[in-house]
Formats: sequence, structure tokens, C-alpha cells
Amino acid sequence: DTAVSQTPKYLVTQMGNDKSIKCEQNLGHDTMYWYKQDSKKFLKIMFSYNNKELIINETVPNRFSPKSPDKAHLNLHINSLELGDSAVYFCASSPGLANPAFSYEQYFGPGTRLTVT
Amino acid sequence: AQSVAQPEDQVNVAEGNPLTVKCTYSVSGNPYLFWYVQYPNRGLQFLLKYITGDNLVKGSYGFEAEFNKSQTSFHLKKPSALVSDSALYFCAVSDLYSSASKIIFGSGTRLSIRP
Repeated sequence: DTAVSQTPKYLVTQMGNDKSIKCEQNLGHDTMYWYKQDSKKFLKIMFSYNNKELIINETVPNRFSPKSPDKAHLNLHINSLELGDSAVYFCASSPGLANPAFSYEQYFGPGTRLTVT
Repeated sequence: AQSVAQPEDQVNVAEGNPLTVKCTYSVSGNPYLFWYVQYPNRGLQFLLKYITGDNLVKGSYGFEAEFNKSQTSFHLKKPSALVSDSALYFCAVSDLYSSASKIIFGSGTRLSIRP
């Protein structure tokens, strides 16, 4: 029944490692997002895909690489993890671009708390 | 470029009293405005939106928000607060000219309702 799911929920790893976070939505939405929420709860968009195509790519280190194998999945791979990458990462989805009135309603996953030591 | 400001980091209200969480925005064209709520250790949940039409919009859990174009504000309100309303609230904005459903979130306001 979960609309937007993320795995893992918690991720503790050491500096320099490479890790991935997975996201899946069963809402039939066309657009998916990755957000980073820092320790002060500030929420910043990182990437967005629409029907597997990258459409938003904010100023994010190229150690972060999103991949969308199909429109229901958007994964985030992070290379060479750094201490500053510690945050909560949220995946979200929205209906898509066809109707702007609804495309902006975003449905968020539960988050992945990444701790880099 | 669009932006949104939430001037209060924290709002404290007694249960049963009315509450207001403030938000002001800046966009190039007509704004699309949103409120989201985040409970502890959870993702954000959509509360309500203003796209066009009536300036007063009603949303989930008894919340409403008033769009004021002259003051570029979109304050969140509830007539009678509940302890269970305690959470982090985010205002968000976009406009017709933004690419790809991109919305910008405010810094968040922590709402604390005391019994």
C-alpha cells in the first residue's frame, strides 16, 4: 500500500565509500525527485526525472548520480562519501507535467537517514 | 527566480486557540502556493494549495490558507489548534514559468501546541 517507498531507511557508512538509495512509487506518477534535508531541516531539491528523463539537475557534486530505470523507480548513487553528505534524503513523486495544477502536488517517501563517519 | 520566506522559526500556541503560520513569496508570474507538514521522522505531507480562484483555500486536518496578492502572502491558519498539530510546516512556491514542476520550499516553521 505504500505510495512512495525508500530503502534503506538508515544508512551508516564511512568516508570514501560508495552507496545507493532506492526509491519506488506505485502511484503511476510521471515525475520523481530527490531532495536533501540537512540538520537544520532545510529542504533542497537535487534532481528530478520525468518519464525516465532528467529534467532538473541542481548544483550538486557529480559524486551524486541519479538513475531511473523506469518511471516508477529513481535511485541515487553516491560515490566517495564525505562527512557533509550526512543528511536525510527524501524521494518524492508527482503526477507530471501534463496538468500544472496537479503536477506540483508531491508525495514524499519516508526518507533515508545517511550518516557518514 | 521564485523564493519563499517563513519569518518565524517557531510558533507556540495553546490548544484550542487559533493559529497562524506566516509565509511570503516572490515569483515572476502568477504563483502556485503550497503548504506541507512534516511529522517527526516522516516525509512531507501535502496539506493544501492555491493555483487560482478563491483566495481562501481549505486543506487537510482543518487547515486553511489565505492568498493575499497585494501582500504576497499565503499564511496558514486553523481556528482551533490541537496538540496533534505540533509538527514542522513548510510553505512552497512555484509558477507557470518554472521548469518541470520545480517548487521551492521555505525554511520551515516549527509549530508547538501546548495542552
